[in-house]
Amino acid sequence: QVQLVESGGGVVQPGRSLRLSCAASGFTFSSYGMHWVRQAPGKGLEWVAVISYDGSNKYYADSVKGRFTISRDNSKNTLYLQMNSLRAEETALYYCAKANTATVKLSYFDFWGQGTLVTVSS
Amino acid sequence: SYELTQPPSVSVSPGQTASITCSGDKLGDKYACWYQQKPGQSPVLVIYQHSKRPSGIPDRFSGSNSGNTATLTISGTQAMDEADYYCQAWDSSAVVFGGGTKLTVL
Repeated sequence: QVQLVESGGGVVQPGRSLRLSCAASGFTFSSYGMHWVRQAPGKGLEWVAVISYDGSNKYYADSVKGRFTISRDNSKNTLYLQMNSLRAEETALYYCAKANTATVKLSYFDFWGQGTLVTVSS
Repeated sequence: SYELTQPPSVSVSPGQTASITCSGDKLGDKYACWYQQKPGQSPVLVIYQHSKRPSGIPDRFSGSNSGNTATLTISGTQAMDEADYYCQAWDSSAVVFGGGTKLTVL
């Protein structure tokens, strides 16, 4: 069965960096696009970024463009999110989610991880 | 930027039909999806490409999308359907979520 396990969350000061990981299993990781989605406490879902199956295409939400970088290592079945210059308002549960297709546009999220909590606070 | 608008809350009696709307400019020209999220849990896909149901999703869940509005319909609503529901679509190169609707079954 599909499993997505996020890690790397924690407490970080404003302006600092953090790298999240998402370990995938139960499917052919290298054949599917992958997304990051976040959810602030008590708030709705906010899409963050997506990467195609081979890493050749990446798209970002305007709110994180230039500060966050999505990447993947297909040899390790792992998705990453490098977050720089973090802001207090980016405190949230960060989910990785599997896309239903190899490419990214028009994909939907057919499986989600449990999330990893990032708290940005001094 | 593109926006999807959902009502913050919808209430329904058990066994009745619940309808949750999602509005956006020319949304009917885009593929709309719906996710269910129960408290403390990750979201679950319930409808994709306007009206298709993933395996394991009960057939009381259905979807439609036309004009500027996508609608998630739950027929014969059960207590277990109480959750937050989010619509989602693509606009250009970005994913957009609606603000979410809390469905209360009372």
